[in-house]
Amino acid sequence: RKEVEQDPGPFNVPEGATVAFNCTYSNSASQSFFWYRQDCRKEPKLLMSVYSSGNEDGRFTAQLNRASQYISLLIRDSKLSDSATYLCGTGGSNYKLTFGKGTLLTVNP
Amino acid sequence: SAVISQKPSRDICQRGTSLTIQCQVDSQVTMMFWYRQQPGQSLTLIATANQGSEATYESGFVIDKFPISRPNLTFSTLTVSNMSPEDSSIYLCSVEAGGPTDTQYFGPGTRLTVL
Repeated sequence: RKEVEQDPGPFNVPEGATVAFNCTYSNSASQSFFWYRQDCRKEPKLLMSVYSSGNEDGRFTAQLNRASQYISLLIRDSKLSDSATYLCGTGGSNYKLTFGKGTLLTVNP
Repeated sequence: SAVISQKPSRDICQRGTSLTIQCQVDSQVTMMFWYRQQPGQSLTLIATANQGSEATYESGFVIDKFPISRPNLTFSTLTVSNMSPEDSSIYLCSVEAGGPTDTQYFGPGTRLTVL
C-alpha cells in the first residue's frame, strides 16, 4: 500500500462548482499534513497546512481525520485559475515529506 | 518565503554522462532536500543534504548514483551519475520554511531528459 494515496482524478468541473479531494495516509506516526498546488511545468507551492481542528482559507477548506488517517480539501466557487494538480503531503520526523501522486483539476468556463 | 533558484532549468543528456544540478537559496537554511518527480509519479525524496556532513539518502537511492554536496547553508548540488533514460525526470530542491510545522518550499526544478 502506498504511503499517501489520492483520488486519481482527473476532475473536470464548471466554474462556480464545489469540488472535494480526498487523501489517505498509511503512516500513523505522521505529524503534519499539507496540500500543495502544482501548475503545469512548475514547482509545487504550498496551498495550506492541515490542522486537526480543520482550517479554512477563503474558498479552501482542509480537514484532517487522524482516526481514519484521512485528509480532505474542499474548493468552493471554483475559478478557472484553480486549474492545477493538487498534491497531498504528510510529514514525520526530520522534516521528511511524503506526497501522493496528485489530482488534476480542470475548471471549465 | 525563501527564494530558491536552480541551474540548469532543463537539459538533454546522453546516456552514460553525468549532470550536476545547483540549488541556491537567498537565506541560510538548516534543512535542504532533493526530490525527484518522474512522469505520472509522486514527488519522491532522494536525500537530505546536510551541511558539513554526508547526505542522508532514502531507501532506493545511493550516494554513488546521486552524490550531493552542501558546502554552506545557502547552496547544494545534486549530481545524477552515469545517466540512463530511466533518470529522465524533474529534480527539485526544497528547503524547510521554519516555524512550527515542517513546511517546505520548492525550487523551480530541473527538467532532465536522458537519450
